[in-house]
Amino acid sequence: EDKVVQSPLSLVVHEGDTVTLNCSYEVTNFRSLLWYKQEKKAPTFLFMLTSSGIEKKSGRLSSILDKKELFSILNITATQTGDSAIYLCAAPNTGTASKLTFGTGTRLQVTL
Amino acid sequence: KAGVTQTPRYLIKTRGQQVTLSCSPISGHRSVSWYQQTPGQGLQFLFEYFSETQRNKGNFPGRFSGRQFSNSRSEMNVSTLELGDSALYLCASSIDGEYNSPLHFGNGTRLTVT
Repeated sequence: EDKVVQSPLSLVVHEGDTVTLNCSYEVTNFRSLLWYKQEKKAPTFLFMLTSSGIEKKSGRLSSILDKKELFSILNITATQTGDSAIYLCAAPNTGTASKLTFGTGTRLQVTL
Repeated sequence: KAGVTQTPRYLIKTRGQQVTLSCSPISGHRSVSWYQQTPGQGLQFLFEYFSETQRNKGNFPGRFSGRQFSNSRSEMNVSTLELGDSALYLCASSIDGEYNSPLHFGNGTRLTVT
């Protein structure tokens, strides 16, 4: 059974700090790994990492994939209060791309 | 481009009743998936529709069903509601439901069963 584990479960940082969120996975026939940000309702797509795209960056957010060690990290630099959210990591099920196995998420709180 | 739209935003139903939730995918997206999110279980896959056909199904009882229309809009139905069905139901669309097409989620429908 596919498995995605995120750590830490929650994190409180001060504005301006840099944070690293972790995601490890055990997926048969790995195809991709996705990161989402969920503030109140809709998980918002951040990044998709694949064998051909193991590093992604968008503004203050960046993510890398280590296919050998089966993990990914999401980095947020110069955090802002608007970064407060639950960050979800997910991997598609073998044979069913739309069936994502999600981790439990990391709840990030950025304080002033 | 408009995002995934779900209606209604909130629903309160009584045990034993049935409910229908609606989802309009992003324009041009042909795959629609449904997820249930609860504090205890997190996000769990219900099913996926593509070209009006259910292509994949998660481990939910037959009380949970869905359909997709020719314009890719989708509905999800839950019959004989139970208290445990209280959850946030999220719809997600992607271009074709393949591995290089990330899912984009709607704001969800919050269902409360009393």
